[in-house]
This record gives sequence, structure tokens and C-alpha cells, in this order.
Amino acid sequence: AQSVTQLDSHVSVSEGTPVLLRCNYSSSYSPSLFWYVQHPNKGLQLLLKYTSAATLVKGINGFEAEFKKSETSFHLTKPSAHMSDAAEYFCVVSDLPGTSGGGADGLTFGKGTHLIIQP
Amino acid sequence: NAGVMQNPRHLVRRRGQEARLRCSPMKGHSHVYWYRQLPEEGLKFMVYLQKENIIDESGMPKERFSAEFPKEGPSILRIQQVVRGDSAAYFCASSSPGTDTQYFGPGTRLTVL
Repeated sequence: AQSVTQLDSHVSVSEGTPVLLRCNYSSSYSPSLFWYVQHPNKGLQLLLKYTSAATLVKGINGFEAEFKKSETSFHLTKPSAHMSDAAEYFCVVSDLPGTSGGGADGLTFGKGTHLIIQP
Repeated sequence: NAGVMQNPRHLVRRRGQEARLRCSPMKGHSHVYWYRQLPEEGLKFMVYLQKENIIDESGMPKERFSAEFPKEGPSILRIQQVVRGDSAAYFCASSSPGTDTQYFGPGTRLTVL
């Protein structure tokens, strides 16, 4: 069984300062890990994906995440926050990478972290 | 290349009515997933379908909910005799064979009065 824990329900940073959104996972296999962003009343957009090719993954909009197997973590970072980054961020795990459709369980979502950007 | 399409975007039903939610996957994608998002929560997996087949419905409530993905046309999530607790955002995602990356639609927000 797989699970995801997003350690902070809300994170508030000032514009121009670094962003850190924390995520820990548990998985029986070598997982695929994702970060998705959801803007208010919108669908989910894929930010980045880890599939064991490289532990540091670069995504869109300046975000990146580092996979640390020893810590079972996949934290999301950005060097400098922008007002448009204000949104809900979901850490997601898929237990069976590479299989058609991502495995029979679908994706497992964390509860989300609400990122607030102060002007 | 159009993304995943869902309609309607907003749906209001009275208790006891039926709700039909539609999802057209991205071009070239043959796998469809449905998720439900309750307020202040993450998405919960409901069902995974391929054309004309339900692959995994372990997340579907046992009663009143059904899903299909016919050979032609969109995938349908059907909720019969809706209750207030069904009010949520329902998201559809699609993927192509051999990959676990899912692309999400904009969602349908169901409100049961």
C-alpha cells in the first residue's frame, strides 16, 4: 500500500523568497512521484514527475523537487516565489511506474498544501 | 491538441435526481480515471477504465455510482439518486498506455440541493 503525507496544510512566504513544500511518502515498490498544482476552481496541472532517472527533478515555472530515498521524501522547492504561485499543491505517488495507466490503484494524493504569497 | 475535456463544469441536482458527468480524454489516450475531491481534501481515486472495460473500481461507492467508457464517445460517471454528501468536485484524468503520467480535466463541480 502507498501513502503520502504533506507535512504542512498551509505555507506562507513573501514574494521573492524561497518556497519549500514538504512531502513524505511510503510505498512498497519503487514509486513514481509527482507534484500537481491546482489554482482556485481549476483543474490540476502537472508540475513535475520523478521516475528514478535523476533524483533532482526540474519542473515548470521554476519548481524543482529532490527525491531522497533514505528520508522517503520528495520536497518541492522554488528559489523565488511569485504572486502567481499562490495555489494548492498536491504531492502524489504511483506505486507501479511504467505500467499501463499507472497501476490498478490510480494515483494516491496527499491532502494538499495551500501556498500563500505575501506581497 | 486539446486537453482532457469535462462537461458540464457545474451541475446542480436535487436530492434523488441523477447526475451524469462526461469526460473526453486527450487525443491518443485510452485510459481514463475518475477522482472525487471533497472540500479541503485531496483527490480520492474512484475508478480506472479502458475502452469498454472497467479495470479497477475499488474506489467507487458500492451503490448508486457507475462508470463506463464506451468504444465511441466520452467516459460517463453516473450517480443515481444523489444525496447531499455527493456534492464534490469530480475530476477525470487520462493517460496513454505504458505511462503513469495522468493529465487532468478541469473538473465538474456537483452541488446537490
